[in-house]
Amino acid sequence: AQRVTQPEKLLSVFKGAPVELKCNYSYSGSPELFWYVQYSRQRLQLLLRHISRESIKGFTADLNKGETSFHLKKPFAQEEDSAMYYCALSGPEHQGGKLIFGQGTELSVKP
Amino acid sequence: KAGVTQTPRYLIKTRGQQVTLSCSPISGHRSVSWYQQTPGQGLQFLFEYFSETQRNKGNFPGRFSGRQFSNSRSEMNVSTLELGDSALYLCASSFFGAEGYEQYFGPGTRLTVT
Repeated sequence: AQRVTQPEKLLSVFKGAPVELKCNYSYSGSPELFWYVQYSRQRLQLLLRHISRESIKGFTADLNKGETSFHLKKPFAQEEDSAMYYCALSGPEHQGGKLIFGQGTELSVKP
Repeated sequence: KAGVTQTPRYLIKTRGQQVTLSCSPISGHRSVSWYQQTPGQGLQFLFEYFSETQRNKGNFPGRFSGRQFSNSRSEMNVSTLELGDSALYLCASSFFGAEGYEQYFGPGTRLTVT
C-alpha cells in the first residue's frame, strides 16, 4: 500500500536550533517525494522535491531508499519557518497528479 | 500568471443537499486534482482530471464526482451531503516539466454541512 508517515504532529524548537522533520514512506516502485509547506493563512505550496536535490530557504531533504525515508532538515531554524509541513509522494508520470500526503508536522520556532 | 482559483471560498449546506465546487487552473495546465482536507484524516486525494478525462481516482464513495471542461476548468460535485463531508476542499493544477509533475494549489473551498 502507498503510505506516507510523519511521526511527529508537533515539533517545537528554539530559533537557531537544528530542525529535522521526519518522513517515512511505503511504496512498491520508485516514487517521487515532495515536501509541501503551508504558512498561516496561505495556500499549500511546494517547498522542495527529491528529484531536484536543491536547497530551498535553507531546507534540504535526502531520499534514503534503503530506509524509505525523506527527512527534511535545516541547520538553523528561523521564526519564519513556523508552519505546517507535509511530506508527499507520487507515482509514475501517469499518476503524477495524485499525491499521497502524510498527516503533517506543525513546526513551531520560538524566539 | 494568475494562480489557481476556487469558488466559492465558503459554503454552508444542509445534510442531504448537493454541492458543486469550481476550480480554475493556471493557464496552460491540463491536469486538475482535488483533495479533501480534514483535521482527522488530513489531506486525501479525491480524483484527477487530465484533458477532460478522469485519470486517477481516490477511495471516496460515488457521491463524489467531478468533471473537466475543454478549457481545463474543473468542477467537483458532492451529492446527498453528510455531516462528515464538512472539510476544506483543495484543487491543484499541474503540468509536467523537466523534473516531472509540479502541483500548484488553490486556496480551497471551506464546506460546512449542518
